[in-house]
Amino acid sequence: NAGVMQNPRHLVRRRGQEARLRCSPMKGHSHVYWYRQLPEEGLKFMVYLQKENIIDESGMPKERFSAEFPKEGPSILRIQQVVRGDSAAYFCASSPGVSGGRDSPLHFGNGTRLTVT
Amino acid sequence: KQEVTQIPAALSVPEGENLVLNCSFTDSAIYNLQWFRQDPGKGLTSLLLIQSSQREQTSGRLNASLDKSSGRSTLYIAASQPGDSATYLCAVDVGGFKTIFGAGTRLFVKA
Repeated sequence: NAGVMQNPRHLVRRRGQEARLRCSPMKGHSHVYWYRQLPEEGLKFMVYLQKENIIDESGMPKERFSAEFPKEGPSILRIQQVVRGDSAAYFCASSPGVSGGRDSPLHFGNGTRLTVT
Repeated sequence: KQEVTQIPAALSVPEGENLVLNCSFTDSAIYNLQWFRQDPGKGLTSLLLIQSSQREQTSGRLNASLDKSSGRSTLYIAASQPGDSATYLCAVDVGGFKTIFGAGTRLFVKA
């Protein structure tokens, strides 16, 4: 009964490169959320997706960041032309469908720690 | 705009002590409040979830209370153990499936 799976665990990119972070939700969960955690700060909401739909991306930077959750496969958070300020831990969480969304706790993955050199 | 504040930012206690972690939020219009534990380099583990209509939840040595009208929640840990050392995060569901987190309380329990 695998939980939320994120990979890679650690990712090092040079400035200007692209970073692709993957998240497979828990089995039976169709809602995915991405959060960013900077050192000594709480988690900041980035984007909420359902299969093939972006529901709320109000926390995403307007440029260079994009997210998808295709019909098949994991959710992807993509950061183009990374800069040092993108260095952070990126967490993915999942929850069941709408009927259980607020009754069930969010389940988090172990995160991807992105370092931009 | 909802803001979540956790006090203290860090706490060090001897093993066996009972302790309280505090969380406050500025807008009482929440759907639920959740307490998480985060270990260094790891993800978040859900400890307790309190629905807006509830006053408290208990799990083992943990008890979380919620006073929505005053915008406060507390996490009570009884008989603390070194294994309880971690960062504890409070988070509120404000609707739109958006969850707002506090910055956390770093707890260190000395053996």
